[in-house]
Amino acid sequence: QVTLTESGPALVKATQTLTLTCTFSGFSLTTSGMCVSWIRQPPGKALEWLALIDWEDDKYYTPFLQTRLTISKDTSKKQVVLTMTNLDPADTATYYCAQSPNTNYDLAFTSWGQGTLVSVSS
Amino acid sequence: QSVLTQPPSVSGAPGQGVTISCTGSSSNVGAGYDVNWYQQLPGTAPKLLIYGNTNRPSGVPDRFSGSRSGTSATLAITGLQAEDEADYYCQSYDSSLSGHNYVFGVGTRVTVL
Repeated sequence: QVTLTESGPALVKATQTLTLTCTFSGFSLTTSGMCVSWIRQPPGKALEWLALIDWEDDKYYTPFLQTRLTISKDTSKKQVVLTMTNLDPADTATYYCAQSPNTNYDLAFTSWGQGTLVSVSS
Repeated sequence: QSVLTQPPSVSGAPGQGVTISCTGSSSNVGAGYDVNWYQQLPGTAPKLLIYGNTNRPSGVPDRFSGSRSGTSATLAITGLQAEDEADYYCQSYDSSLSGHNYVFGVGTRVTVL
């Protein structure tokens, strides 16, 4: 059974750096094709894909936030970490991590964590 | 920056059917990239409902079906039930910008009357 759990601060101040951790079980990020993404959802708004890391440690970012995001993994701890710099109140959202069993343009986000709400104060 | 257009809401009586459209362009759905659909019940994380345009993950009732044609995709729900009241999102890949860009639709709220 695949599970993912997001953790991080609930409240951060504008201009600070946010670090979120996704701890997973039920799969390995060393398995060929496996990848983990971060996706966010502002309150009452749509989902937005942010970043992806795959089993080969290849990393991809949304072009709109690429300069502010860094994704990394620790396969032994079964964790994926996302950092976002220079926070703004517009970054207030629920942040999800999600697993995909294949890394290609047609991937689907198969399993999701429960999400963690991050509020950015000015 | 949603590039996939969905109707804000659709509604139907229990037992009826509804459809949700997802309209893209030649850089995403029209380019042949798969469309996936997610169901988000109130206060919960999204759940994969349809993948690869037409496929249902194990456990998803066959009341849910997906299709794709040209630059659009459609999610159909037949035999609407109260538990289907949720937000539904389509998702695909967009090649209009450099680098990877997985995109979601704006979401459609399904209301069971």
